[in-house]
Amino acid sequence: DGGITQSPKYLFRKEGQNVTLSCEQNLNHDAMYWYRQDPGQGLRLIYYSQIVNDFQKGDIAEGYSVSREKKESFPLTVTSAQKNPTAFYLCASSILGSNQPQHFGDGTRLSIL
Amino acid sequence: ILNVEQSPQSLHVQEGDSTNFTCSFPSSNFYALHWYRWETAKSPEALFVMTLNGDEKKKGRISATLNTKEGYSYLYIKGSQPEDSATYLCAFNSGGSNYKLTFGKGTLLTVNP
Repeated sequence: DGGITQSPKYLFRKEGQNVTLSCEQNLNHDAMYWYRQDPGQGLRLIYYSQIVNDFQKGDIAEGYSVSREKKESFPLTVTSAQKNPTAFYLCASSILGSNQPQHFGDGTRLSIL
Repeated sequence: ILNVEQSPQSLHVQEGDSTNFTCSFPSSNFYALHWYRWETAKSPEALFVMTLNGDEKKKGRISATLNTKEGYSYLYIKGSQPEDSATYLCAFNSGGSNYKLTFGKGTLLTVNP
């Protein structure tokens, strides 16, 4: 079945560590996105990519990094510079175009030990 | 940062009731308005993408309308069922070359049997 796979589902990080969240899609979508959800807030865009080897900062990119070496994969690294990393992270993908719906993964919940 | 407001924040209805909720967005630079349904423990699922003023879209018992001149969209659910219980998200796209979405905080609907 086509879809988006995020792993792991739950992730724990010690203070000062970098962690990488995986996002893979087999929908052949050009665009991929990372969002963060915090209680009482809407989804906020961290980074997005419209083509391999290119990506742009979203609204809250500080403390995060991404890569897009393959069309299918868009991993997100939460660095030690992110001061409040505990959140629920959602990955999405879409065909390019403002009228194209986004398809979401099941999310990764990151917690700090 | 664009402001997308959803109301009410939450509501409870009885099975069989019809209900509606609102998404407000900037009326300038409009390209598209997305609606998503997010059930607990699942990934958000696209309901509608609306692009033209006066658009009406329907999917089963769920329909949506769009007024881009005044900056609002309504989502209607006719004859609510317990399986309609979910958070309903709207997202605004102001176009340009980036296809970024700005999400509202969502409306949490609970349908009591």
